[in-house]
Amino acid sequence: GENVEQHPSTLSVQEGDSAVIKCTYSDSASNYFPWYKQELGKGPQLIIDIRSNVGEKKDQRIAVTLNKTAKHFSLHITETQPEDSAVYFCAASRRGSQGNLIFGKGTKLSVKP
Amino acid sequence: EAEVAQSPRYKITEKSQAVAFWCDPISGHATLYWYRQILGQGPELLVQFQDESVVDDSQLPKDRFSAERLKGVDSTLKIQPAELGDSAMYLCASSFSGDTGELFFGEGSRLTVL
Repeated sequence: GENVEQHPSTLSVQEGDSAVIKCTYSDSASNYFPWYKQELGKGPQLIIDIRSNVGEKKDQRIAVTLNKTAKHFSLHITETQPEDSAVYFCAASRRGSQGNLIFGKGTKLSVKP
Repeated sequence: EAEVAQSPRYKITEKSQAVAFWCDPISGHATLYWYRQILGQGPELLVQFQDESVVDDSQLPKDRFSAERLKGVDSTLKIQPAELGDSAMYLCASSFSGDTGELFFGEGSRLTVL
């Protein structure tokens, strides 16, 4: 089955710096790759997603890149702010079962003012 | 803004007791999911419903866990008997369609088994 590895497990940056989180997946049939942000005591919230027919997607300060050949995808956050501090999860799923997400173990991002 | 509602937010129980969690998805969302999130890890799918039918329960420990969505709207997840290893956050999510579209998660039900 699918396995998603996520690195780093913790990341500390200074406000205004960029943050990058990387994930690799094992199942070449996976074609949907969302990123979720989870704040303390809350459920995960989708922040951006990408499908396998696209190499890059951007939404304001957040971007995701996908390399299908290498089976890895990355989250890039620019101009980080203290409110970006949270746990970020990458996930992968197959066509036809998009809701069966296989999650990475998460990255705790701390943005220092 | 529409939200996925879950209750209770917190539940403490002793092992061998029965517990139940309730979820009300966003109105109009046909697909409902129960995920389990152990502290420090990502969520793992337990069961997926399309309307009132189970689509995937391959990861549900059926000897002690059960889930139902009788009228295709709200859903209940039950554990009987609870074990120490069941301590986790139980997250409900819904989506308009199981094939495409965003999953919206509720705030979860935190279970502690003593």
